[in-house]
Amino acid sequence: NAGVTQTPKFRVLKTGQSMTLLCAQDMNHEYMYWYRQDPGMGLRLIHYSVGEGTTAKGEVPDGYNVSRLKKQNFLLGLESAAPSQTSVYFCASSYRTSEQYFGPGTRLTVT
Amino acid sequence: DQQVKQNSPSLSVQEGRISILNCDYTNSMFDYFLWYKKYPAEGPTFLISISSIKDKNEDGRFTVFLNKSAKHLSLHIVPSQPGDSAVYFCAAGRVNAGGTSYGKLTFGQGTILTVHP
Repeated sequence: NAGVTQTPKFRVLKTGQSMTLLCAQDMNHEYMYWYRQDPGMGLRLIHYSVGEGTTAKGEVPDGYNVSRLKKQNFLLGLESAAPSQTSVYFCASSYRTSEQYFGPGTRLTVT
Repeated sequence: DQQVKQNSPSLSVQEGRISILNCDYTNSMFDYFLWYKKYPAEGPTFLISISSIKDKNEDGRFTVFLNKSAKHLSLHIVPSQPGDSAVYFCAAGRVNAGGTSYGKLTFGQGTILTVHP
């Protein structure tokens, strides 16, 4: 069991560039989440999904889009990256309980 | 509006002593609380949880206490070990009447725990 995996692990973007972060889980979890972690801010929910084909906005959704075409994958897209999106991004998944399993994170720098 | 707050950015404790990490929340709708531990360059890992119908939950060296009237929870680690040095996040969520989680958690800012040998 790989658990929750994220690709890439690191990325540097220039302002205005786009990219997609991939999250995959092999635990057959229904729910998946994208968070960002910034110093002194804890983890803030960007978007989440309660099932294949469904997505919903979290606390800080602006500037991001997501898709859940397959149950095991949850994609986070940045259409036009901004320096304010420099952060560490974590994906998580869970069954229909509140215990979430996290991936190792993606460190994104936007210059 | 920070609905879940960890007011101590850091805590330093001697090995073998008790570590107490605190967390306050403002949303009275929260009825499920969790603690996560995070090492550098890794994702958070689940540590322990408590439902609002309880005031204490214990798992080995880790105990979580919930005071609903004060909207306060704490994590006790006894005895503390150097390997416990990490960032600890508390999180809160809601479980509906049917026992199905809404899935969303609100996290605190985290407390850096350092356990000295």
